[in-house]
This record gives sequence, C-alpha cells and structure tokens, in this order.
Amino acid sequence: GQSLEQPSEVTAVEGAIVQINCTYQTSGFYGLSWYQQHDGGAPTFLSYNALDGLEETGRFSSFLSRSDSYGYLLLQELQMKDSASYFCAVRPVQDSTLTFGKGTMLLVSP
Amino acid sequence: NAGVTQTPKFRILKIGQSMTLQCTQDMNHNYMYWYRQDPGMGLKLIYYSVGAGITDKGEVPNGYNVSRSTTEDFPLRLELAAPSQTSVYFCASQSAYNSPLHFGNGTRLTVT
Repeated sequence: GQSLEQPSEVTAVEGAIVQINCTYQTSGFYGLSWYQQHDGGAPTFLSYNALDGLEETGRFSSFLSRSDSYGYLLLQELQMKDSASYFCAVRPVQDSTLTFGKGTMLLVSP
Repeated sequence: NAGVTQTPKFRILKIGQSMTLQCTQDMNHNYMYWYRQDPGMGLKLIYYSVGAGITDKGEVPNGYNVSRSTTEDFPLRLELAAPSQTSVYFCASQSAYNSPLHFGNGTRLTVT
C-alpha cells in the first residue's frame, strides 16, 4: 500500500519562505507531484519530480529524495494569494492512478 | 478551450434519490477520473477510465457507477443517495498516465 504524510497546517508571513514536507511509504512509484487548491476551487498542478533533486518553477521549487522517502515544496517570496491547500501525490508502479496526501493548509499573513 | 466541465455546481438530494454528475472534457484526453473530497481530507478516487469503453474501480467505489461511452464524457451515477455521500466531487482528465491532471470545478453535493 501507500500513504503520504503532510503537516495539516503551516503559517507564514508575506515575503517569507516556507517548506511543506511530504513523507511517503510506498514500495515504488513513478514520481512525486504537487497540487494547489484555493478554498472552494479545483486543484491545479504545480510541479512534478520524476527524479531525485530539485525542480524550480518561478517562486516554487519541489524536491524529491527517494532514498529518504521524502519530498518537499518550497515557496519563496510568499504572497497573500499563496494561501491555499497544497497536496502531494504519487503514482505507485503497481497502480495506474494517483494517490493524494491529505493536504497542507498554508496561511499567509501580512 | 473549456477544459473539464462539471455539472451541476451544487445539488441537494434526499436520502434514497439518485442522480448523475456530468463531466465532459474537450482536450481529447484518454484518462479520466472521479474523486471525492471531504472537509480537511485529500482526494479519494471513486472510479477511473483509461479510454472509451473501459472503466475501473478506485479506492471508494461503493454506491457509485460510471460509464465511458465516448472519449469526452465520463458521468458518475449515484443510486440510492446516502448522507455519507455528502461531499465535493471532482472530475479530472489526463493526456497520459504521468502527465498533470486537469480538474473540473467540482460538484458540491449534500444528501439530507
């Protein structure tokens, strides 16, 4: 089976840097994805790590270490609009579907 | 290009009623999914389809049915609605198994 653990809530101030961790227990998977969901909205794709290491997309970066069963999403220069829930997700090799973590609610304050 | 369109946006059902949640996509994606999301929880997979004529159960299929007669449409059927089916339902599509999921805006269903 597979399970993904994320903190339920993280708070930060505008302009700061925040890291949202995702640890997982799965026998094997294709890669780690991150999705953002604003309150009342639909999830939207942020990033995907197929290989170990850092992927950077503007203010957002995502990291994967398969040996440590660990990944994170790094958000820099936080803005109020970054207040949302962030979900990590994996696709196990024995499955053709995506499994999501329970999500981390990020609250950005002025 | 509308992406993934879900209807209705909101619905209130009485216990025992049935309904169909509609989902259509105009991106010619083979892969389509139905997820439900309960407050403070992640997305749980109900059913999915890897192409027209092919459907399979996800993690929480009980109480639901699907069909995939065309590439574009993937309706979700609720028979004998129960309060436990109160949730937000998201449909998603994907061009290939490892590409990003595109989600619809969701259907908020309340069963009372």
